[in-house]
Amino acid sequence: DGGITQSPKYLFRKEGQNVTLSCEQNLNHDAMYWYRQDPGQGLRLIYYSQIVNDFQKGDIAEGYSVSREKKESFPLTVTSAQKNPTAFYLCASSEDRSSYNEQFFGPGTRLTVL
Amino acid sequence: AQTVTQSQPEMSVQEAETVTLSCTYDTSESDYYLFWYKQPPSRQMILVIRQEAYKQQNATENRFSVNFQKAAKSFSLKISDSQLGDAAMYFCAYRPQDWGGSEKLVFGKGMKLTVNP
Repeated sequence: DGGITQSPKYLFRKEGQNVTLSCEQNLNHDAMYWYRQDPGQGLRLIYYSQIVNDFQKGDIAEGYSVSREKKESFPLTVTSAQKNPTAFYLCASSEDRSSYNEQFFGPGTRLTVL
Repeated sequence: AQTVTQSQPEMSVQEAETVTLSCTYDTSESDYYLFWYKQPPSRQMILVIRQEAYKQQNATENRFSVNFQKAAKSFSLKISDSQLGDAAMYFCAYRPQDWGGSEKLVFGKGMKLTVNP
């Protein structure tokens, strides 16, 4: 089955720690995205990548970092510099950068800072 | 900056009835795309329907249809013959037709739909 997988489903982090959220897709999509969702809020874009070895900051990139070494993988690191990291994180991918193309979403990772 | 507004945080509908979810947006662009996404309790975002701004005809997908009013910058979603499985958060989203800049989706804050049996 083609799709997007995110792991882990739930993640707990102590203050001051960096954590990495995994996102993998087997849809052969060029573009991948990371969104953050907070209660009562829509999704906000953290980072996106159109091709391997290239990525761009979204609206709320501070305290986050990404890499795109492989087409199918786009991991997100939440660093200790992120002041309020507790949120639901969604990864998405689309066929290419065309605005028309649907973004397919993964099941998400719930990050809680203890 | 583009913004998307969903003014109703919650709505409810009786099973088999029809409900309309409202969405307005603000943009200075003439070419763009609009989307409705559904997020059920599983939290997986699922595309419900999309509309190209250059098309005058309203998009339809089975029981889901939109009323796209470009001049009014309004994009409402009508769900006919509501089913229990339609209960979810619904998000309206906007994306500019822009190959040179940010290709991000701009989301509204969402609306919780409850379907009563």
